[in-house]
Amino acid sequence: KAGVTQTPRYLIKTRGQQVTLSCSPISGHRSVSWYQQTPGQGLQFLFEYFSETQRNKGNFPGRFSGRQFSNSRSEMNVSTLELGDSALYLCASSLLAGVGNEQFFGPGTRLTVL
Amino acid sequence: QKEVEQDPGPLSVPEGAIVSLNCTYSNSAFQYFMWYRQYSRKGPELLMYTYSSGNKEDGRFTAQVDKSSKYISLFIRDSQPSDSATYLCAMSETNYGQNFVFGPGTRLSVLP
Repeated sequence: KAGVTQTPRYLIKTRGQQVTLSCSPISGHRSVSWYQQTPGQGLQFLFEYFSETQRNKGNFPGRFSGRQFSNSRSEMNVSTLELGDSALYLCASSLLAGVGNEQFFGPGTRLTVL
Repeated sequence: QKEVEQDPGPLSVPEGAIVSLNCTYSNSAFQYFMWYRQYSRKGPELLMYTYSSGNKEDGRFTAQVDKSSKYISLFIRDSQPSDSATYLCAMSETNYGQNFVFGPGTRLSVLP
């Protein structure tokens, strides 16, 4: 079974630009979550989608948004990029939502903002 | 003070050693506790999941939760070089959703 895939794997943008990252969950998984990982703050929860609905949102500004499509694929968008947005963005999928439903992480998209 | 604290390491041990990894937390409402392992350039993978206090064993791994002390541990027996990775603890107040709070991670090196 194919794992979680994320595209692109690497991205370089400049301040003020916007970016869209894509995540394809494991086939059959309906829950997709996004995380930001930085050396200083560690792994932080961004948001979670289940059946095209946002179930939870972390403590990030409104510049960070996401959506989920009917095939469970998900995208996240960051507008007006700042230097501090440089991070590894991880997507994880699980069969169902909620703790206890094992999440499978993708390899991440490394975003560098110059 | 961060909500979840973890010694960042690096922690270096010889092959075969027992490894103890720990997290402390400040939010007494946390009830669900997880340990993830993250290899370099990879996403985290779930190792252990426990609810409330107590112990849970899975092969060479044992997870302990002491809610009264707000302290959780992961023990690795007979450590192997393949265990070299960053270990992240994660916790949640509810079982609704995947909005965990993660510790910063401890980097472990098991030397052959």
